Amino acid sequence: GQNIDQPTEMTATEGAIVQINCTYQTSGFNGLFWYQQHAGEAPTFLSYNVLDGLEEKGRFSSFLSRSKGYSYLLLKELQMKDSASYLCAVRHNTNAGKSTFGDGTTLTVKP
Amino acid sequence: DAEITQSPRHKITETGRQVTLACHQTWNHNNMFWYRQDLGHGLRLIHYSYGVQDTNKGEVSDGYSVSRSNTEDLPLTLESAASSQTSVYFCASSTAPGNLGGRGNEQFFGPGTRLTVL
Repeated sequence: GQNIDQPTEMTATEGAIVQINCTYQTSGFNGLFWYQQHAGEAPTFLSYNVLDGLEEKGRFSSFLSRSKGYSYLLLKELQMKDSASYLCAVRHNTNAGKSTFGDGTTLTVKP
Repeated sequence: DAEITQSPRHKITETGRQVTLACHQTWNHNNMFWYRQDLGHGLRLIHYSYGVQDTNKGEVSDGYSVSRSNTEDLPLTLESAASSQTSVYFCASSTAPGNLGGRGNEQFFGPGTRLTVL
């Protein structure tokens, strides 16, 4: 099975940098996703990591360490619109069509 | 543009009634998924399908069923609605595994259906 842990809530200031961590324990691993979900809306894709290291996409970066079962999402130059829930999801190895989601981290950006 | 839609967006029903939530995608994706999302929980998988006539149970499948008669649609049926099934339901779709480059077959989500069972 899969066990995914993320902090429940985080608060940061506009213009700052915030790191959202995700740890996972899994019987099979085939990649890790980060999704963003604004209140009352559907999740949308942010990033995907399958190899160790850092993937950078503009203000957002995602890091993966498979040996440690650890990932983080780094948000730079925070904007008010970044206030949202961030979901970590692990794709299965033997059943690679589906993913298991963590409970999400609610980020509040304050002026 | 391709999209994934859900209907209705809001539904109020009574305990014991049968309810069907529709999901329709024009991405031509093989994979389709149904999740429920409750406060304090992430997305929990109810059922999923990897193609026409294929359906599989997820982690919270009791009281729910799905059928896949074509590529575009995966309706979710609550056989006898219970108050514990009050939730927001999301449908999602993705391409089949095999294309592991780039975005990793990420899931595209519908707008959600808010279901209240009284």
